Amino acid sequence: QAVLTQPSSLSASPGASASLTCTLRSGINVGTYRIYWYQQKAGSPPQYLLSYESDSNKQQGSGVPSRFSGSKDASANAGILLISGLQSEDEADYYCMIWHNSAYVFGTGTKVTVL
Amino acid sequence: QVQLVQSGAEVKKPGASVKVSCKASGYTFTSYDINWVRQATGQGLEWMGWMSPNSGNTDYAQQFQGRVTMTRSTSISTAYMELSSLTSDDTAVYYCTRGVDRGTDYWGQGTLVTVSS
Repeated sequence: QAVLTQPSSLSASPGASASLTCTLRSGINVGTYRIYWYQQKAGSPPQYLLSYESDSNKQQGSGVPSRFSGSKDASANAGILLISGLQSEDEADYYCMIWHNSAYVFGTGTKVTVL
Repeated sequence: QVQLVQSGAEVKKPGASVKVSCKASGYTFTSYDINWVRQATGQGLEWMGWMSPNSGNTDYAQQFQGRVTMTRSTSISTAYMELSSLTSDDTAVYYCTRGVDRGTDYWGQGTLVTVSS
């Protein structure tokens, strides 16, 4: 089982909200991690969006719109990236990442399609 | 503004080595770790290791230990990643990315390394 699991794809309409999950493997408690989120458009390097540890300890990437926000769902043991007011330019792959056992681990990635 | 500019694409034969550079600007090079991440075509992101430009200390992902070497030249604010004993499985885009609090922020533009006989 992968350390971080993301749904492979998500589709939504322009203007809608999209909630991307990053589920941690059983036995790894989301509460103890700072979760990073990256956006990668086709043919481009990943771009840092934001990082989230708690409501009092989070950071938005430079120039990243506030419609991108992070949170955690402790009951689901998952990190969440919320994209509000989806735009066509948000169509991309999204990856989560944590520092775990002295190594960076990436999620499997979610492809977001804006219909 | 922070920039990480990588060297150009490489084509190597199986068994050879490749050395990719990553030139930093817009910040104090020695104040942030440099990580290396690779991505095979159509695949996800894979972390290779990190290096402290200040001390030269390194730590490599287990799957690359013995094959990867990360170095730096502080005088020209440049980090290097050398990967040896290349196989076709090493064909990928290689990225450098600046380390911050248990994560990374700025990324280089990527360097395509193609391993082919």
